[in-house]
Amino acid sequence: RKEVEQDPGPFNVPEGATVAFNCTYSNSASQSFFWYRQDCRKEPKLLMSVYSSGNEDGRFTAQLNRASQYISLLIRDSKLSDSATYLCVVNRGSTLGRLYFGRGTQLTVWP
Amino acid sequence: DTAVSQTPKYLVTQMGNDKSIKCEQNLGHDTMYWYKQDSKKFLKIMFSYNNKELIINETVPNRFSPKSPDKAHLNLHINSLELGDSAVYFCASSQQLFSSYEQYFGPGTRLTVT
Repeated sequence: RKEVEQDPGPFNVPEGATVAFNCTYSNSASQSFFWYRQDCRKEPKLLMSVYSSGNEDGRFTAQLNRASQYISLLIRDSKLSDSATYLCVVNRGSTLGRLYFGRGTQLTVWP
Repeated sequence: DTAVSQTPKYLVTQMGNDKSIKCEQNLGHDTMYWYKQDSKKFLKIMFSYNNKELIINETVPNRFSPKSPDKAHLNLHINSLELGDSAVYFCASSQQLFSSYEQYFGPGTRLTVT
């Protein structure tokens, strides 16, 4: 079983739509959770960390459910510039610095 | 003002050759990493160094040898290149070793082995 599983999509949504991505992780000892964004043929960049109580950054909301080992990302009022691949990233609690990346969910926002 | 830079950006070479990829970060970070992103887009860690010391050495063929001359540089040398080595290689850095810190990625080196 992979460390991090994501639905690869693609998700194709109109501007202004709300879209949600989900991710599950296999290691219950994981301590740190992130969403990274990767534009086509570019490097991944941190979008936001995910905290236990859930957190919001503008139009983006991240949730963590430790019991179900499940992470989500909600994007409200989608913009064309949100088109990218969204990577769910989890550490393995016992291994310093080692992050596990999901294969990403591809989002295309159309006008 | 590039934070993490890699050279070259593109590398096309034949099977059996030896090649190197260089990485530099000007963020003052202690930890640097090499990742491989294959054609299925999975990003997998290969190595990490903390203050020039090897910390993570994932199950990678020993044809791959990282070298960190100082904490701002982490190079990757690949011997006897194979077709399966074709991928995008990303260098990254983080302030410290702990995985709660954001990792900053370089622009990637697209390696094609023919």
